Amino acid sequence: EVQLVESGGNLVQPGGSLRLSCLISGFPSNAYSMVWVRQAPGKGLDWISYIDAHSITMYYADSVKGRFTISRDNAKNSLYLEMTSLRPEDTGVYYCARDPGGFSSGWSDYWGQGTLVTVSS
Amino acid sequence: QSVLTQPPSVSGAPGQTVTLSCTGSTSNIGAPYDVHWYQQRPGTAPKLLIYGNVNRPSGVPDRFSGSKSGTSASLAISGLQADDEADYYCQSYDNRLSGSRVFGTGTRVTV
Repeated sequence: EVQLVESGGNLVQPGGSLRLSCLISGFPSNAYSMVWVRQAPGKGLDWISYIDAHSITMYYADSVKGRFTISRDNAKNSLYLEMTSLRPEDTGVYYCARDPGGFSSGWSDYWGQGTLVTVSS
Repeated sequence: QSVLTQPPSVSGAPGQTVTLSCTGSTSNIGAPYDVHWYQQRPGTAPKLLIYGNVNRPSGVPDRFSGSKSGTSASLAISGLQADDEADYYCQSYDNRLSGSRVFGTGTRVTV
């Protein structure tokens, strides 16, 4: 059974940093690209970042470029999102998801339950 | 601000068919890039409904069907059930600037 479990969400002050993790199980983590998707409270889905299966290619939404870094450790079956210079508008639930397609054609077929990040003083 | 526009809400009676639209442009759906659809029930993670414009993952009922034409895509839900009450999002890719995955604004379906 495919399982994605996010962790690391917390309350952080503006300008602060946070590292999210996503533990992968139920499929070979080195066989699939992964993405992070954010959902602000009461709002829609917002794609944040993409990483291919072997960490060769990474993409970011303009809203987080230069502040967030996606990475993965296939040996630890884990995906990460390092977030710096956090802003109140970064508040939301962060989902990791498995991505079977390419960046321009792909979709997310399995999602974690999400982890809440709150940026506030 | 999303580049894929969806109607904020759609409602229908049990058993009816509703159609949700997703309107884009020549830099995304019309480019043409594939459209995918997700269902999100309150308090839960999104669930994949349709991928590659028309394909249903295993386990998704055939009451859900997708289509695409020009710069728009549609999701039809037939035989509407109470369990279908949820938010529905389309997703595609936009090739402007450095390129980006994009989600639609979302449609709340009320049964």
